[in-house]
Amino acid sequence: GENVEQHPSTLSVQEGDSAVIKCTYSDSASNYFPWYKQELGKRPQLIIDIRSNVGEKKDQRIAVTLNKTAKHFSLHITETQPEDSAVYFCAARTFGNEKLTFGTGTRLTIIP
Amino acid sequence: GAVVSQHPSWVICKSGTSVKIECRSLDFQATTMFWYRQFPKQSLMLMATSNEGSKATYEQGVEKDKFLINHASLTLSTLTVTSAHPEDSSFYICSARDGGDSPLHFGNGTRLTVT
Repeated sequence: GENVEQHPSTLSVQEGDSAVIKCTYSDSASNYFPWYKQELGKRPQLIIDIRSNVGEKKDQRIAVTLNKTAKHFSLHITETQPEDSAVYFCAARTFGNEKLTFGTGTRLTIIP
Repeated sequence: GAVVSQHPSWVICKSGTSVKIECRSLDFQATTMFWYRQFPKQSLMLMATSNEGSKATYEQGVEKDKFLINHASLTLSTLTVTSAHPEDSSFYICSARDGGDSPLHFGNGTRLTVT
């Protein structure tokens, strides 16, 4: 089955700086890669996703890049703010398979 | 947007009792729902896939007789933790998609504490 690895497990960034979280996946048939943000005790919230037919997607301060050849994708947050502090999970899904496999999570802390 | 509602948000029960958790899709129909478990500071682990009108599909290592799943309608799936033990204490989250290729939306989660 699919295996998703995520790094780093923790990340501290000065407010205003950029944060980058990286994930790798094992199944070359995976074609959908969402990113979720989870605040303490709350549900994961989808923040951005990308499909395998594009290499990059951007939504304001958040961007995701995908390298299908290397089987890795990354989340980029620019101009970080204190409210960006949370745990971020990457995930991967294979076409035709309903299941979403999650990475191990990254605890992002924005230092004011 | 798609809304998934989960109830209760927290529950405390005694060892040996059973607890039922409900997951509802409020503004869409979901033939498939997913149940995840999340231990503190860990990732979301898929427990089972709930299929409307048929048996759930359980992930390896998940006891189907302990975690009973019923998906009786297109908007409701229930997870019953039977004969709960302290090691079952966890955060249980359901999720569903509005359409085959749409994003996965999560319920608010249920924090189960077994004493």
